[in-house]
Amino acid sequence: GEDVEQSLFLSVREGDSSVINCTYTDSSSTYLYWYKQEPGAGLQLLTYIFSNMDMKQDQRLTVLLNKKDKHLSLRIADTQTGDSAIYFCADLYSSASKIIFGSGTRLSIRP
Amino acid sequence: GAGVSQSPSNKVTEKGKDVELRCDPISGHTALYWYRQSLGQGLEFLIYFQGNSAPDKSGLPSDRFSAERTGGSVSTLTIQRTQQEDSAVYLCASSLHSSGNTIYFGEGSWLTVV
Repeated sequence: GEDVEQSLFLSVREGDSSVINCTYTDSSSTYLYWYKQEPGAGLQLLTYIFSNMDMKQDQRLTVLLNKKDKHLSLRIADTQTGDSAIYFCADLYSSASKIIFGSGTRLSIRP
Repeated sequence: GAGVSQSPSNKVTEKGKDVELRCDPISGHTALYWYRQSLGQGLEFLIYFQGNSAPDKSGLPSDRFSAERTGGSVSTLTIQRTQQEDSAVYLCASSLHSSGNTIYFGEGSWLTVV
């Protein structure tokens, strides 16, 4: 069945780069997403990548997609305290037109 | 409004009571999703509506859960005979169409069953 997996926790030093990884099982993905959820708030779409792309960059965010290995990553450059949140990877499961989310990676920033 | 609107934002209900959660998608969005996020957990797919097609109900956890979408716009998620394990944030999302490249979430309805 469809599945999206992420590690649960990541701790980085302020100013360093954060890399959040995600793996998925759907071989017919069309879109993959990264969402951010701050404490007590809803989900905010950060970025998405179409499956025929390898990389997408948007300011401090870089998304890398390895379709062969079904691996997606989100790199946040110059991580700031405001980046503390849970980051969800999601896959548009095209055969059923539903979006499957990972369990989220909690990013914490240390001084 | 400009975004996905959900109501109520917070609901405390007694075990055994029925609750209704409402979602107003972004105007013009034909796809609408309901998800559930239990404390400390990831997102669990519940149901998906696309235009006038039959909804994908494969994620509804039991027959106590139902949802409808009237006129292709507003959706209501109903939970009958609520149980404590139903306590969660219920998130609604909408997108322009099912290819889903722009999917936006509401702030969620926080349900607590006591």
